[in-house]
Amino acid sequence: KAGVTQTPRYLIKTRGQQVTLSCSPISGHRSVSWYQQTPGQGLQFLFEYFSETQRNKGNFPGRFSGRQFSNSRSEMNVSTLELGDSALYLCASSGTGGGNGYTFGSGTRLTVV
Amino acid sequence: AQKVTQAQTEISVVEKEDVTLDCVYETRDTTYYLFWYKQPPSGELVFLIRRNSFDEQNEISGRYSWNFQKSTSSFNFTITASQVVDSAVYFCALAPRRYSGGGADGLTFGKGTHLIIQP
Repeated sequence: KAGVTQTPRYLIKTRGQQVTLSCSPISGHRSVSWYQQTPGQGLQFLFEYFSETQRNKGNFPGRFSGRQFSNSRSEMNVSTLELGDSALYLCASSGTGGGNGYTFGSGTRLTVV
Repeated sequence: AQKVTQAQTEISVVEKEDVTLDCVYETRDTTYYLFWYKQPPSGELVFLIRRNSFDEQNEISGRYSWNFQKSTSSFNFTITASQVVDSAVYFCALAPRRYSGGGADGLTFGKGTHLIIQP
């Protein structure tokens, strides 16, 4: 059974640009959530999608957005990148969300210069 | 608001010693899930355990054991006879159980405990 796949693994962007990260959940999982990990703030919840609908959103500015497709794959987008957006972005998939545990991908390490 | 506190920022022990990682949480939800994850240097979060708030039974899995005490809002993790491969950052996390289908909101993580096992 394939795990959670995140692409790309590494990304370098310039301030002001936008970026799109991709996450393919475990086959059959319908819940995908995104997290940002930084040394200062730790792991913070960005948003969760279930069956193409955003169910919950963390405390992040509107520059952070996401979507989920009918095949449960998810993308997150960050517009107008700031230096502080440099982080490891982790995606997690779950069958229904929480009850079955969350399986995380290896993450995308974004560096904004 | 939910909060998870892992007071131990870093723990260093010699191999074969037992070590306990502390986790204290705060939540207003009556039903919730608690988790432990391991993050090796590669970055991926590895799922270790999930516990329902209504199940206070302690659990043992090999060298790992977990002590859940609802009365003190704690969910501690013990590694017995530690090994160098146990070196990693360990995160405790909390998620409310709000959806009828058993789904939950996002995870609230603690800051993590960096565990160093010296040979």
